[in-house]
Amino acid sequence: DTGVSQDPRHKITKRGQNVTFRCDPISEHNRLYWYRQTLGQGPEFLTYFQNEAQLEKSRLLSNRFSAERPKGSFSTLEIQRTEQGDSAMYLCASSYAPGGNEQFFGPGTRLTVL
Amino acid sequence: AQSVTQLDSQVPVFEEAPVELRCNYSSSVSVYLFWYVQYPNQGLQLLLKYLSGSTLVKGINGFEAEFNKSQTSFHLRKPSVHISDTAEYFCAVFRSNDYKLSFGAGTTVTVRA
Repeated sequence: DTGVSQDPRHKITKRGQNVTFRCDPISEHNRLYWYRQTLGQGPEFLTYFQNEAQLEKSRLLSNRFSAERPKGSFSTLEIQRTEQGDSAMYLCASSYAPGGNEQFFGPGTRLTVL
Repeated sequence: AQSVTQLDSQVPVFEEAPVELRCNYSSSVSVYLFWYVQYPNQGLQLLLKYLSGSTLVKGINGFEAEFNKSQTSFHLRKPSVHISDTAEYFCAVFRSNDYKLSFGAGTTVTVRA
């Protein structure tokens, strides 16, 4: 399977703990995006990378959130000191630029903060 | 400000009946338009996209959509739905001066026998 993969698929954690999610994009894609989706809503943009450079961050991305893409391939999203409001589905997507307007999505990581 | 509006949050429909899901957007620049489908506990799957050219776009699973620039709309249609079309559908806009997708809040389609 050469699609976008995410790990883990589900994560349950206690408030105050740190969590880290991983995304592996489609191999030739140079852009990688993170979105957050809460119940009953559409995905909301968090941040994106072109190769290893993080080019844009949403105001939704508080200072407890950090994302990296160290070698321009896989990416990690870390949430420190989780809060109940962080409970959501975290979606990763990738695309190829220039010219690639279609974003391919992974299956998502569902985070539940107790 | 909401820039992508899906006008119906829930659409119940009988099997083999037609369905239309409405999407309006606002933008001061040119746009690319997408419809995605999401099945429970899964990621998003692209149904169809409008980049340029013909305003009537055909996608997978018998879906089609029409881009109307004057109405700033991109409504999704299927002439005859199946039980397996039960899912959530998202309209999304990619602005030519931006890098990210902006999504609507979604429309839940429930197909009943």
